[in-house]
Amino acid sequence: AQTVTQSQPEMSVQEAETVTLSCTYDTSESNYYLFWYKQPPSRQMILVIRQEAYKQQNATENRFSVNFQKAAKSFSLKISDSQLGDTAMYFCAFMTAGGGNKLTFGTGTQLKVEL
Amino acid sequence: DGGITQSPKYLFRKEGQNVTLSCEQNLNHDAMYWYRQDPGQGLRLIYYSQIVNDFQKGDIAEGYSVSREKKESFPLTVTSAQKNPTAFYLCASSITGFGNQPQHFGDGTRLSIL
Repeated sequence: AQTVTQSQPEMSVQEAETVTLSCTYDTSESNYYLFWYKQPPSRQMILVIRQEAYKQQNATENRFSVNFQKAAKSFSLKISDSQLGDTAMYFCAFMTAGGGNKLTFGTGTQLKVEL
Repeated sequence: DGGITQSPKYLFRKEGQNVTLSCEQNLNHDAMYWYRQDPGQGLRLIYYSQIVNDFQKGDIAEGYSVSREKKESFPLTVTSAQKNPTAFYLCASSITGFGNQPQHFGDGTRLSIL
């Protein structure tokens, strides 16, 4: 079974600063996919970024980028130029290739962007 | 616009009562999922279905039942056997066959005990 650990329950950052959210996972699989989802106060789940384990290049989406360390089983999310709208709960999620597209989620990190 | 519709937004259950949460999608996705969200525990998978008339238990299926009679619909019934049903329930769907396809989520249903 896969497990996903987010060790930072809460974080805060000043507007325009950079923040990094941590995620580690445990699996015996070699082929898998990793995701970061954002859940703002509206409770809607929004995909932020995804990474295929077979790709060495770290994924980027505008101000969001990941640091994927496969050997260390680490998948951190970096948010640059933080904005007030980035305030949300962030979930790291794991998907095994060929596993029915099921997601295993971490417990989340509540990020607050402050003026 | 394509998307996932969950209803109702808020639902109250009396002791001993079964309640059904609706989930409809018009994205033409084959797979659909139900998650339960509790504070501090993230999302946990209840049931999932990859094709019509077939579904599998997730990690916390006890006290819940589902059906998948149509591709577009995947209702979740919270039975009286579920002793702690108060939670936020999220439905999701995805394309199958391509492992990196993300799940798309509805806006959720909050279920509370009366």
